[in-house]
Formats: sequence, structure tokens, C-alpha cells
Amino acid sequence: RKEVEQDPGPFNVPEGATVAFNCTYSNSASQSFFWYRQDCRKEPKLLMSVYSSGNEDGRFTAQLNRASQYISLLIRDSKLSDSATYLCVVNAPYNQGGKLIFGQGTELSVKP
Amino acid sequence: NAGVTQTPKFQVLKTGQSMTLQCAQDMNHEYMSWYRQDPGMGLRLIHYSVGAGITDQGEVPNGYNVSRSTTEDFPLRLLSAAPSQTSVYFCASSYRAVYDSYEQYFGPGTRLTVT
Repeated sequence: RKEVEQDPGPFNVPEGATVAFNCTYSNSASQSFFWYRQDCRKEPKLLMSVYSSGNEDGRFTAQLNRASQYISLLIRDSKLSDSATYLCVVNAPYNQGGKLIFGQGTELSVKP
Repeated sequence: NAGVTQTPKFQVLKTGQSMTLQCAQDMNHEYMSWYRQDPGMGLRLIHYSVGAGITDQGEVPNGYNVSRSTTEDFPLRLLSAAPSQTSVYFCASSYRAVYDSYEQYFGPGTRLTVT
């Protein structure tokens, strides 16, 4: 089993749609969770950290369920500019000095 | 504040050649790492460093060496290039944010082709 698994893509949605990405992680000792965005052939960029209580940043909402080892990202009112690959990322547990484990990524394509 | 910089942006090598990919950060981050990204494979950790003088292997270290003599620099050396090392290489640095959470920032990448 992969340490971080994401929904396979691609997701093709119309502008204005709501889309949700799911991610599971295997190690219950993991402490920190993130969503990164990667545009084609560019470097990944931090979209948001995910906190236990869930957090929201504009149209983006991230949720964490530690019991189920599950992370989600919800994008409301999709824009064309949201088209990218979304990476679920988990800190390696046991304080391994900031080592991150990346999911394979889920590709989102928002169409007019 | 340039963030994380990488050079070169593109490189073509012949099999057996060696080279060094440069990475530097000006944010005084303790932690730095190198990843490679191949189509359909996601990001895979090659080597990482938790501070000057300390390095460790990641998931795919074979064929690569690193050193960390300063906080700012973390070069990646390809000892004898092979076609299997054709990839996009990303360097990243991170700091400890709240609750031992490390937010990682990436350089723009080096696109390497080995023929």
C-alpha cells in the first residue's frame, strides 16, 4: 500500500462547479498535512496546510479525519485558473526532520 | 529574497558524464531536499538534509551524492549519468512551522536529459 494515496484523475469539470479531492495516508503517526498545487512543468506550490479542525481559504476548504486517516480538499466555484495537479502531502512521522511524502497527484481540468 | 534557486534550468548529458545540480536558498531554512519527478510517478525523494553537515538518503538515492557544507547550499551530484536519470529535479527547503509542521518551498526545477 502506498503511504499517501489520492483519487486517480483527471477530473474534468465546468466553470463554477464544486469539486472534491480525497486522500488517504497509511501511517497513523503522521502529524502534518498539506495540499500543494502544481501547474504543468512547474514546481509544486503550497496551497494550504490542513489542521485538525479543518480550515478554509476563500473557495478552498481542507478537512482532516485522523480516525479514518483521510484528508480532503474542496474547491467551490471552480475557475479556469484552478486547472492544475493537486498533491496531497504528509509529513513523515517520528520527527524525521521535515521529510514529506507526496501522493501521486490528481489532475483537475476546469472547462468554460 | 530569491527563495530557492536552481541551476541550470535545462541540461543534456551523455551517458557516463558527471555533473552537479546546484541549489541555494536564502531563507535560512534548516531542512533541504532533492526530488525527482517522472511522468506518472509523482515526486520521489532522493536525498535530504536536516542541517549543515547532515545528510540522509531518501527513497531513490542510488547514483546521486549530496553534501551540505553551508545552510544555504545543497548541491546534487550525478556520478555517472544514465538514461534512467532523465527527469525533472526539484530542490526544496523548509522550516519548522507550528506543531512540528514543515512547510516546504520548491525551486523552479532542472530538466535533465541523458542520452
